[in-house]
Amino acid sequence: DVKVTQSSRYLVKRTGEKVFLECVQDMDHENMFWYRQDPGLGLRLIYFSYDVKMKEKGDIPEGYSVSREKKERFSLILESASTNQTSMYLCASSFEGGTYEQYFGPGTRLTVT
Amino acid sequence: AQSVTQPDIHITVSEGASLELRCNYSYGATPYLFWYVQSPGQGLQLLLKYFSGDTLVQGIKGFEAEFKRSQSSFNLRKPSVHWSDAAEYFCAVAPFSGGYNKLIFGAGTRLAVHP
Repeated sequence: DVKVTQSSRYLVKRTGEKVFLECVQDMDHENMFWYRQDPGLGLRLIYFSYDVKMKEKGDIPEGYSVSREKKERFSLILESASTNQTSMYLCASSFEGGTYEQYFGPGTRLTVT
Repeated sequence: AQSVTQPDIHITVSEGASLELRCNYSYGATPYLFWYVQSPGQGLQLLLKYFSGDTLVQGIKGFEAEFKRSQSSFNLRKPSVHWSDAAEYFCAVAPFSGGYNKLIFGAGTRLAVHP
């Protein structure tokens, strides 16, 4: 089975802190994604990566950056956390040129106080 | 604008009753279509997907969905709901375009099941 893991299930950070959320997949997928999930808004794409060191902005990239130094690992970085970044963050991965099916991690619920 | 609409935010059904969750999309060409389920505190799990061919697709946990091109709809159904089906359900589309298989999600429908 495809496994996507995220470094933390719950995280509490203070305003202004630098926050790292990490995601690892074990199926050699080319594509990896970071989403933000908020009630009533569904999932919104923050960034995605289609190869090592390659990235592209999604729909809501402001306030976020990403890093992909190895194929299996995709990190989301909040340079200076703000209270409006309190949310559930979901990581996903998929094969390039496959069936477009994305596999999701369990999510990280981030609270910024 | 391209979008995915799930008209029902919350649905409550009794255990054993049938279920239909609605999904409509607005894209120029038929996209790839998906239904995902999210149990409380969990990530998303794929229930089923449609790419082409038979417009009635079967998924896991006894779910099925029907693609209707004329209505731009991809509704999810289950003939008899179990208490364990209580969860949030997301419809998603992968628009037909060259690229990196981005998914566009609806806002979700939260299902409650009464015993």
